[in-house]
Amino acid sequence: KAGVTQTPRYLIKTRGQQVTLSCSPISGHRSVSWYQQTPGQGLQFLFEYFSETQRNKGNFPGRFSGRQFSNSRSEMNVSTLELGDSALYLCASSPSTRSDNTEAFFGQGTRLTVV
Amino acid sequence: AQSVTQLGSHVSVSEGALVLLRCNYSSSVPPYLFWYVQYPNQGLQLLLKYTSAATLVKGINGFEAEFKKSETSFHLTKPSAHMSDAAEYFCAVYTGGFKTIFGAGTRLFVKA
Repeated sequence: KAGVTQTPRYLIKTRGQQVTLSCSPISGHRSVSWYQQTPGQGLQFLFEYFSETQRNKGNFPGRFSGRQFSNSRSEMNVSTLELGDSALYLCASSPSTRSDNTEAFFGQGTRLTVV
Repeated sequence: AQSVTQLGSHVSVSEGALVLLRCNYSSSVPPYLFWYVQYPNQGLQLLLKYTSAATLVKGINGFEAEFKKSETSFHLTKPSAHMSDAAEYFCAVYTGGFKTIFGAGTRLFVKA
């Protein structure tokens, strides 16, 4: 069974630009979560989607948004990039149910560098 | 609110020595607890998970962890460290709300 696939693996953007990151979950997984990982803040929860619905979101500004498609693939978008957005963005899928969500399976991440 | 504290951002052991990585959690409800490992430039890989079935949980690569409710701890151990165990380890807790909380991580160094 293929794992979680994130594209692209590496990305360099300029301040003020926007970026879209993609995540394909493990087949059959309907929940997708996104995390931002930085050396100073560790793993910070961005949001979680299940069946195209956002069920929870973290404490990030509105520049960070996401969506999930009917095939469970997910994208996250960051607009008006800032230097501080440089991070490893991790996607995780889960064999979740409508009422619970445990055991995340992570992709290799997208390394975003903002210059 | 739930939280996870990992004691020690860096731990160094000699090859063959015991590995002990500490994790304490805060939760008002019975938690699901996890340990993940991350190698450089990689995502996180699940080592083991506690879901209330047994307090001693065995994971991959010889790791195990014991859930101690009275101490609110879930420490990770391995009897004999191997060079390939050098990585960053994350303890995590899930108590509902479709959101898993991760500790700050502990980087394990293994000396030859």
